[in-house]
Amino acid sequence: DTGVSQDPRHKITKRGQNVTFRCDPISEHNRLYWYRQTLGQGPEFLTYFQNEAQLEKSRLLSDRFSAERPKGSFSTLEIQRTEQGDSAMYLCASSLALREKLFFGSGTQLSVL
Amino acid sequence: AQSVTQLGSHVSVSEGALVLLRCNYSSSVPPYLFWYVQYPNQGLQLLLKYTSAATLVKGINGFEAEFKKSETSFHLTKPSAHMSDAAEYFCAVSDPDADTGRRALTFGSGTRLQVQP
Repeated sequence: DTGVSQDPRHKITKRGQNVTFRCDPISEHNRLYWYRQTLGQGPEFLTYFQNEAQLEKSRLLSDRFSAERPKGSFSTLEIQRTEQGDSAMYLCASSLALREKLFFGSGTQLSVL
Repeated sequence: AQSVTQLGSHVSVSEGALVLLRCNYSSSVPPYLFWYVQYPNQGLQLLLKYTSAATLVKGINGFEAEFKKSETSFHLTKPSAHMSDAAEYFCAVSDPDADTGRRALTFGSGTRLQVQP
């Protein structure tokens, strides 16, 4: 169990730029989740994959956001035309089964200037 | 729709004192309930999980939580606080949401626990 890894740890970008984050889940986990966390708040659900299929998307996920999980392994989350309101910690988690323990990565902290 | 309310964004206790962190949930069906802890600069870690097998759930680091259906509560307790318990604690609920079909966890806004020497 090498844990969930996220890259990069920090990203600073200018408004209007595109950014992409990567998440590598625990290898045998077929479920992968993206959450967003702002200061003083709990994680907010963004989207969820089972293997390569994206099964759920939150209403928070505008059309500027896209997530992929090719081949059911790592996942990427892209934000196009970033806005200052996108500044947050983006968390990735994986699990073996529905309603089972989530293993979280340390997150990618995005700052949009 | 499922939701979680954590009463008290900050709780401060003395080392050795009882820790009580409050969580109330709303769910249309019997839920699964979780407590996660987040230490500074670290990812969230599962403390404990309720899945209807027993109303009193024991977790790691001496924490436990009791599911009370009549009160729709799942409060987290620890008899004696330790300095290392200082962290952010999140309650979370999971149920098949009839409105959104969501099956991922819904988190509360968190409670920051401070432990005074």
